[in-house]
Amino acid sequence: IAGITQAPTSQILAAGRRMTLRCTQDMRHNAMYWYRQDLGLGLRLIHYSNTAGTTGKGEVPDGYSVSRANTDDFPLTLASAVPSQTSVYFCASSEGGDSFKEGYTFGSGTRLTVV
Amino acid sequence: GQNIDQPTEMTATEGAIVQINCTYQTSGFNGLFWYQQHAGEAPTFLSYNVLDGLEEKGRFSSFLSRSKGYSYLLLKELQMKDSASYLCAVSDSNYQLIWGAGTKLIIKP
Repeated sequence: IAGITQAPTSQILAAGRRMTLRCTQDMRHNAMYWYRQDLGLGLRLIHYSNTAGTTGKGEVPDGYSVSRANTDDFPLTLASAVPSQTSVYFCASSEGGDSFKEGYTFGSGTRLTVV
Repeated sequence: GQNIDQPTEMTATEGAIVQINCTYQTSGFNGLFWYQQHAGEAPTFLSYNVLDGLEEKGRFSSFLSRSKGYSYLLLKELQMKDSASYLCAVSDSNYQLIWGAGTKLIIKP
C-alpha cells in the first residue's frame, strides 16, 4: 500500500538522549515535512525538504535536525531530548510544485514522551 | 503575524448539518485546505479552495471568501463516523501551510 511509514509508533525517552524518528515514503513525492502536534495548537512545521539533497527550517526547528539523502527517506533527529519535545510527530509528503493543491499525505505519527 | 482561527469544539446531531468556520490572516495566499483527523490518527485531506465560491464533494462542501479571509466546511447528513477534528490550513506566499488548532466535532445520536 502506497504511503508513508513512520517508526517507532511510540517511544519513551530519557532527557538528554539522542533519538532519530524514521520516515519513509514510496510515492516518489518530491517534498517532505516534519510536524509536531500539541494539544490546543495547530500543526507546527519543524523542518522540510522540497527535494532530495535540500532541507529547510520551519517554524520550530531548534533542537531538531533532518537529512534528505534520497527521495524516500526523511529522518528527524533530536540531538539531546528535552521534556518540551514531548509531542506527536507527523511526517508528511506532497508532490510539490503545482501539485501541492492535492494536499499532503501524512504518516501515522510517532508519539514521543521525554521524561 | 499569521494566524488561523477556528472554534475549539462543536456539537451536532446525527443526520443534521454543521458548518465549521475558519478565518485567517496570512502573508500571502495560495489556497486553503481542510483536513479531517480522527483521534489518534493522521490528518487526511478533504478539500482545497483557491478561488472564491463553493466546492462540493459528496456530503462535504467548502466555501472560500478571499476578501473576507474566511472559509467554512459544511458537513451534511452527519454520521457518527464524522466525529473527528477538522483542521483548516492556509498556504502562504512561500507555499508553506499555516495550520489552525482544529475544531473537534462531536456527533450525538
